Amino acid sequence: AQSVTQPDIHITVSEGASLELRCNYSYGATPYLFWYVQSPGQGLQLLLKYFSGDTLVQGIKGFEAEFKRSQSSFNLRKPSVHWSDAAEYFCAVGARLGQAGTALIFGKGTTLSVSS
Amino acid sequence: DAEITQSPRHKITETGRQVTLACHQTWNHNNMFWYRQDLGHGLRLIHYSYGVQDTNKGEVSDGYSVSRSNTEDLPLTLESAASSQTSVYFCASSEVRGEKLFFGSGTQLSVL
Repeated sequence: AQSVTQPDIHITVSEGASLELRCNYSYGATPYLFWYVQSPGQGLQLLLKYFSGDTLVQGIKGFEAEFKRSQSSFNLRKPSVHWSDAAEYFCAVGARLGQAGTALIFGKGTTLSVSS
Repeated sequence: DAEITQSPRHKITETGRQVTLACHQTWNHNNMFWYRQDLGHGLRLIHYSYGVQDTNKGEVSDGYSVSRSNTEDLPLTLESAASSQTSVYFCASSEVRGEKLFFGSGTQLSVL
């Protein structure tokens, strides 16, 4: 079955430091992969997505992610974190659900705190 | 601007009552989804629809139902609310199956 694992429940990073959030997926075919961000009390906003082609994808707010098929990973990175990046981050895979079609399956999320 | 709206934003109900959460989108998307978000579980798919009269069960569909009578709306009904259904519910839509989702702002439901 398709699944997404985010190994880190909570990460704290100093402002200005680099960030890497981990995501591993389980999916038989070439996956569609996404990173979403959720600020407190808000819905989810798409940061970036990978469908095919270049394995390093750029997103909004200075984020990037690298698809590594050999490691079944799609880690999110940012070279310099800002206090406004504190939020919850979700990795998701576009997965086939039986005969009915596809939908997004989400990981459990990683909460990012930024210290000054 | 096109958007997706959920109502109400907050709801308190009692166990055993029927509750309906509304979702309305003006993107004209065929694909609509309901997720619930719980601490430690992330977002879990409840039901989804790929068009009018089409509905499908997700991984946590027990106790929930949906109907799709038009493109814009996918209401979620809790037939007999249970305390385990206390959660934040998100509606989402997409233009293409398996691709980018647009999310509503969520409904906080408390079942007492």
